Amino acid sequence: LAKTTQPISMDSYEGQEVNITCSHNNIATNDYITWYQQFPSQGPRFIIQGYKTKVTNEVASLFIPADRKSSTLSLPRVSLSDTAVYYCLVGEEDDYKLSFGAGTTVTVRA
Amino acid sequence: GAVVSQHPSRVICKSGTSVKIECRSLDFQATTMFWYRQFPKQSLMLMATSNEGSKATYEQGVEKDKFLINHASLTLSTLTVTSAHPEDSSFYICSATRSGSPLSGANVLTFGAGSRLTVL
Repeated sequence: LAKTTQPISMDSYEGQEVNITCSHNNIATNDYITWYQQFPSQGPRFIIQGYKTKVTNEVASLFIPADRKSSTLSLPRVSLSDTAVYYCLVGEEDDYKLSFGAGTTVTVRA
Repeated sequence: GAVVSQHPSRVICKSGTSVKIECRSLDFQATTMFWYRQFPKQSLMLMATSNEGSKATYEQGVEKDKFLINHASLTLSTLTVTSAHPEDSSFYICSATRSGSPLSGANVLTFGAGSRLTVL
């Protein structure tokens, strides 16, 4: 199971772009990278998933360099409601165990 | 999209009693479900993996006799905290995956809303 490292916290202001980088040096060939968002007293919510290069959906973009040893979640034009903890998960294809790292607490201020 | 319902959302019980938390996949069959525990300001800690029709696999340090997990159908897994004590007070979250590894291709985890357990 690839271990991940993320910044503990990040502060931003409304309307800015927030980029959170996750390091996963031991990522395996078949691993995908998945990001989740968690608000207080709620279960995590899927944000985006990718394998390589760039993935974009309606809420975020995920940038993955060629070596796949890191990934960057990009939240465009954040609002106060984007204040949450963001988790990066990486795991082996047939490995059912999923361990959450510490996550990154993003605080958006007005 | 995939929905996981978790019930109850909050429960308060007396020390020594048992509490059951249900996790249901509403619009898909979940062959594998996961149970997590989360303390305030901390990350999710995987407690056990629940596979339909077989015994749950517990993570190291999690007492299987304390936290009973049953996954009797493809849409329901239950976690029973037996003889609860104040130190069992926590936020319990379940998640489900459709099939295979949740990280294989398009499969992702769908989480319940969580259950806040307070043991007096």
